[in-house]
Amino acid sequence: DTGVSQNPRHKITKRGQNVTFRCDPISEHNRLYWYRQTLGQGPEFLTYFQNEAQLEKSRLLSDRFSAERPKGSFSTLEIQRTEQGDSAMYLCASSLWKGSVRDTEAFFGQGTRLTVV
Amino acid sequence: AQSVTQLGSHVSVSEGALVLLRCNYSSSVPPYLFWYVQYPNQGLQLLLKYTSAATLVKGINGFEAEFKKSETSFHLTKPSAHMSDAAEYFCAVSMGGGFKTIFGAGTRLFVKA
Repeated sequence: DTGVSQNPRHKITKRGQNVTFRCDPISEHNRLYWYRQTLGQGPEFLTYFQNEAQLEKSRLLSDRFSAERPKGSFSTLEIQRTEQGDSAMYLCASSLWKGSVRDTEAFFGQGTRLTVV
Repeated sequence: AQSVTQLGSHVSVSEGALVLLRCNYSSSVPPYLFWYVQYPNQGLQLLLKYTSAATLVKGINGFEAEFKKSETSFHLTKPSAHMSDAAEYFCAVSMGGGFKTIFGAGTRLFVKA
């Protein structure tokens, strides 16, 4: 297993278009997270899944954003009617939750850089 | 609520000098604390983590961090900087159990020859 994989690595789109990103987590990991990182800032939490259930969504995740993890494996993040303010790096991470509070390490993918023009 | 403050958005050191990156946290419950490194156009790589065991945590690439509850700090250090250490460093806090992680704004480390 080569770690968390995100596709595409880069996406340029025109304002108003829809975009979809994919994240493939480490195969045995049951938790998957999406973060957004704008220039000069740390990653901001967007949402996370345990298996196929979406357990939490940030208020940053407007109605234009939707995330799915249909079979508890890969996940997609869709942005509808993109705006220039959506330009950012979108990071995916995964972790293995086995019921122990010591299980705290999330492994990050390389991210998808979105540019809205 | 949890939060992280990284003091200094940019730090510059000479090669071979001590690296000190500062992080203070706020958490209503015993925290789990992390330092991540990010190279340009890359994802985040975990340097080290504190999970309530030893307060002095050793990580990869010669980095270490000390958890000081009384100061609510988790500063990152490295005795001797190398050119390859130039990157962005993020301090982060989590409640543990694989819950969401809250990141600081980051500190960019420059290493001068």
